[in-house]
Amino acid sequence: AQSVTQLGSHVSVSEGALVLLRCNYSSSVPPYLFWYVQYPNQGLQLLLKYTTGATLVKGINGFEAEFKKSETSFHLTKPSAHMSDAAEYFCAVSDSGGGADGLTFGKGTHLIIQP
Amino acid sequence: DGGITQSPKYLFRKEGQNVTLSCEQNLNHDAMYWYRQDPGQGLRLIYYSQIVNDFQKGDIAEGYSVSREKKESFPLTVTSAQKNPTAFYLCASRLRIGGYNEQFFGPGTRLTVL
Repeated sequence: AQSVTQLGSHVSVSEGALVLLRCNYSSSVPPYLFWYVQYPNQGLQLLLKYTTGATLVKGINGFEAEFKKSETSFHLTKPSAHMSDAAEYFCAVSDSGGGADGLTFGKGTHLIIQP
Repeated sequence: DGGITQSPKYLFRKEGQNVTLSCEQNLNHDAMYWYRQDPGQGLRLIYYSQIVNDFQKGDIAEGYSVSREKKESFPLTVTSAQKNPTAFYLCASRLRIGGYNEQFFGPGTRLTVL
């Protein structure tokens, strides 16, 4: 069974500083990995995804993530935080079939941007 | 524009009442999902449906019911048996692309029990 662990339920950074949100996964099959962003009182929006190919994946709003198989990680980064990045971020792994056959989500990380 | 719509955006319910949350998609996706979101608890799966006229319980189905009479629609009823229904509810659909799944989300409904 797949699982996702997001380290840190809250992360606070200063505006202009590096953003690093951590995600580790457990999967019995080659993983397909996702990051979603959720702004207050809104649905989840796909930021980026890793399926196959290049392990460094670029997404919207200047975010990127690197798939590291040896570390079972898929950390999300952005070089310079902006106030508009304040949101909840979810890491997810695609289920391998059976059961709900959707995505398994981490519990989320709330990103706080300090002015 | 293809997507998922949920209505209403905000819903207030008195204790003891049943309420139904609407979810409609025009993405032609077979599978649809309902999640409940509470602060600090991430997304918890309530019900899912892989195909019309079929649905399965998720992790927290007690006090909820669903129907799937049309591919486009997957309404969720919060019954009076649900002890703590105040939460944010998200509907999603699934696209299977080759060997993996991707989910698309609606804007959510915030339910408050008065």
